[in-house]
Amino acid sequence: ETGVTQSPTHLIKTRGQQVTLRCSSQSGHNTVSWYQQALGQGPQFIFQYYREEENGRGNFPPRFSGLQFPNYSSELNVNALELDDSALYLCASSKVGYGYTFGSGTRLTVV
Amino acid sequence: GDSVTQMEGPVTLSEEAFLTINCTYTATGYPSLFWYVQYPGEGLQLLLKATKADDKGSNKGFEATYRKETTSFHLEKGSVQVSDSAVYFCALLKITDSWGKLQFGAGTQVVVTP
Repeated sequence: ETGVTQSPTHLIKTRGQQVTLRCSSQSGHNTVSWYQQALGQGPQFIFQYYREEENGRGNFPPRFSGLQFPNYSSELNVNALELDDSALYLCASSKVGYGYTFGSGTRLTVV
Repeated sequence: GDSVTQMEGPVTLSEEAFLTINCTYTATGYPSLFWYVQYPGEGLQLLLKATKADDKGSNKGFEATYRKETTSFHLEKGSVQVSDSAVYFCALLKITDSWGKLQFGAGTQVVVTP
């Protein structure tokens, strides 16, 4: 059984740039969620995708957007990066009754 | 809105000591409750869960009981090891309109010394 894989593991971007983070969900899981974890804090829910559509969103601005593909993998896109976007971004896949499996995350640094 | 409150860390213990991390929650309805663990430089790993009142979750010597009357889900381990050093997160999950989000506490760092 494969786990959740995220790429890249680390990246550095300049303020104002755009970034795309990727996530491959666990085999058999059809729902993907994204979380932002700032240093020293708990993860905050960004949004969730099911059947290629966003079906839940936290308190994040529209410059945070995503996609889910037919194979249930997902992307998180962030436009117009700000310094406060520096964080660990976690992807979690799930299926009803099976709980959430998290990836190891992508560490984004905005300079 | 829903929220989770954990005791602040760091919690520093000697090996073989008893560990308790307090967690209380505020939520309407009937959330499921979780403890996740995060080792340095890694993502979150599910430690244990409970889906209804009075359920006890357990794993790797850790236990937590879902107490609806006190809205609590305290984590305990009878004898910690150095390898238990990590950050522990309490979280709740509610399903609303066919989707759900995990609401996390701020995390509690645990440091176990030999």
